[in-house]
Amino acid sequence: DSGVTQTPKHLITATGQRVTLRCSPRSGDLSVYWYQQSLDQGLQFLIHYYNGEERAKGNILERFSAQQFPDLHSELNLSSLELGDSALYFCASSARTGGSEQYFGPGTRLTVT
Amino acid sequence: SQKIEQNSEALNIQEGKTATLTCNYTNYSPAYLQWYRQDPGRGPVFLLLIRENEKEKRKERLKVTFDTTLKQSLFHITASQPADSATYLCALPSLSGYSTLTFGKGTMLLVSP
Repeated sequence: DSGVTQTPKHLITATGQRVTLRCSPRSGDLSVYWYQQSLDQGLQFLIHYYNGEERAKGNILERFSAQQFPDLHSELNLSSLELGDSALYFCASSARTGGSEQYFGPGTRLTVT
Repeated sequence: SQKIEQNSEALNIQEGKTATLTCNYTNYSPAYLQWYRQDPGRGPVFLLLIRENEKEKRKERLKVTFDTTLKQSLFHITASQPADSATYLCALPSLSGYSTLTFGKGTMLLVSP
């Protein structure tokens, strides 16, 4: 158990809908990272937050947004969902902003039908 | 742009043998490199971090080397066991920012009894 929690575990929704994925980092970790993993693309970095502030953006679509709250939990919002958004979404946390290992949650499997 | 290459073909070995996985990278001189293990449908698990001034690092049956001239890291599992069967990912700090990681697509290791 990494200490990172993610909810929900599974999510099935229709195209055009909006969903929110939630992540709680390990106790004491200030950094939260979001990743998308599909079979053909591998693990793709989406966005990084450190202590409530956005620090880096990766291949995140404009339809996706995220935030980190004062209690350090983070939410990833996915809107106008398309079939191609079906994937595993992982969040990870680390103690620092970089140069250290990341601890991944169990993931949320999103299926868009 | 940054490119990370891991053998996409699965590596099949017999129990007790040493497994060696390769991670090659181009257009980059990373300050460190990390290795993760991922089981199907689960989040990656951090294994080892090796810095550019370290040639080799060990942890139990795991050994990682880092050759900055060849731009290559080798990941060894000695006395492999069926429980070592998983996908192994290497990760480097992203070109876009020290705080984030870019992951290779991973190599699947299958250890047969």
